[in-house]
Amino acid sequence: NAGVTQTPKFQVLKTGQSMTLQCAQDMNHEYMSWYRQDPGMGLRLIHYSVGAGITDQGEVPNGYNVSRSTTEDFPLRLLSAAPSQTSVYFCASRDRATYNEQFFGPGTRLTVL
Amino acid sequence: SQQGEEDPQALSIQEGENATMNCSYKTSINNLQWYRQNSGRGLVHLILIRSNEREKHSGRLRVTLDTSKKSSSLLITASRAADTASYFCATDKEEAGTALIFGKGTTLSVSS
Repeated sequence: NAGVTQTPKFQVLKTGQSMTLQCAQDMNHEYMSWYRQDPGMGLRLIHYSVGAGITDQGEVPNGYNVSRSTTEDFPLRLLSAAPSQTSVYFCASRDRATYNEQFFGPGTRLTVL
Repeated sequence: SQQGEEDPQALSIQEGENATMNCSYKTSINNLQWYRQNSGRGLVHLILIRSNEREKHSGRLRVTLDTSKKSSSLLITASRAADTASYFCATDKEEAGTALIFGKGTTLSVSS
């Protein structure tokens, strides 16, 4: 199993540009989440999904969109990038049962100029 | 706002010493989990403790949970330089269909 994969690993954008961060998992997990990590702030939840076709907002959803058309994929879209979105983005997945560990991707380091 | 808050923010110890970090949270939970992050890497799961458990061990790790105080502690015994990393607690809310919420983490530095 590849686990949770994220692409790209690094990305530089200009203010106002849009892009999609890709996330895929091959463990047939129903739960998937996106987090951003900033220095001194820990991980903050952006959006999450409990199954295909179902998404919900987390702590910091503004400026981001998600969709979940398949169990495997959970892309994160930046609609109009802003310098405040400079961060490291982590995708994660876990089994439907609420008592299981979460598996993380390697992260995408995004810089918005 | 974030559910969990770790304390201390940073901890520096010598190899062989024990390291204790604490986590406080706000709402009722199903379980609490601890994760480790090496610099520049993703998070790795360490241990999970359910709300009806008070203590759990895994190798050199010992986790306690006090639901009445809404707090947990992670003890790493006989620390090694390789334990240098950031440690995060994450809480699973009581209601189903929610995501894990993480604290800000404790940065542990173990010097040889």
